[in-house]
Amino acid sequence: EDQVTQSPEALRLQEGESSSLNCSYTVSGLRGLFWYRQDPGKGPEFLFTLYSAGEEKEKERLKATLTKKESFLHITAPKPEDSATYLCAVQAYGQNFVFGPGTRLSVLP
Amino acid sequence: DADVTQTPRNRITKTGKRIMLECSQTKGHDRMYWYRQDPGLGLRLIYYSFDVKDINKGEISDGYSVSRQAQAKFSLSLESAIPNQTALYFCATSSATEAFFGQGTRLTVV
Repeated sequence: EDQVTQSPEALRLQEGESSSLNCSYTVSGLRGLFWYRQDPGKGPEFLFTLYSAGEEKEKERLKATLTKKESFLHITAPKPEDSATYLCAVQAYGQNFVFGPGTRLSVLP
Repeated sequence: DADVTQTPRNRITKTGKRIMLECSQTKGHDRMYWYRQDPGLGLRLIYYSFDVKDINKGEISDGYSVSRQAQAKFSLSLESAIPNQTALYFCATSSATEAFFGQGTRLTVV
């Protein structure tokens, strides 16, 4: 059974304090790993798709990396507007998305 | 306009009532999904549809039914609502590479 876990459950950072969020997964035949951002009361918003180990993608202060067992979302010099819940999901070939429980990030000014 | 539109955005209903949540999308994708989100449990798949004639149960389909009226429309029904169906419900559509979500429907069953 495909599974996704995320850590930490919640993270509080000071503005400018860089950190990383972890997504660990077990899947038979990874087709893709996805990162989403979700603001309170809103739907998840797509950030990145990673397809193979060693792949990296960047968007503003965010960088996602992928290994064979986990993915990291690195946040460099975060700002308060980066506060949100970050969701990780995996998709095996021929299967649906499986989502992790998310990491709630708070960035304090 | 949003790519995926859900109605209503909020609903309070009584136990035993039938309720329908509606979803429409303008992305032109064939795949559509209904998820529910509960604190600490993440997004769980209720039903999915890969085209108008294809409907499939997800991991938590008991107590729910769906209808795919058109490529762009996918509705979720609770035939007899119960309090543990209180949750945030999301509709989504996907291409082969990414999923697009609606804004969600907050459903409370009292």
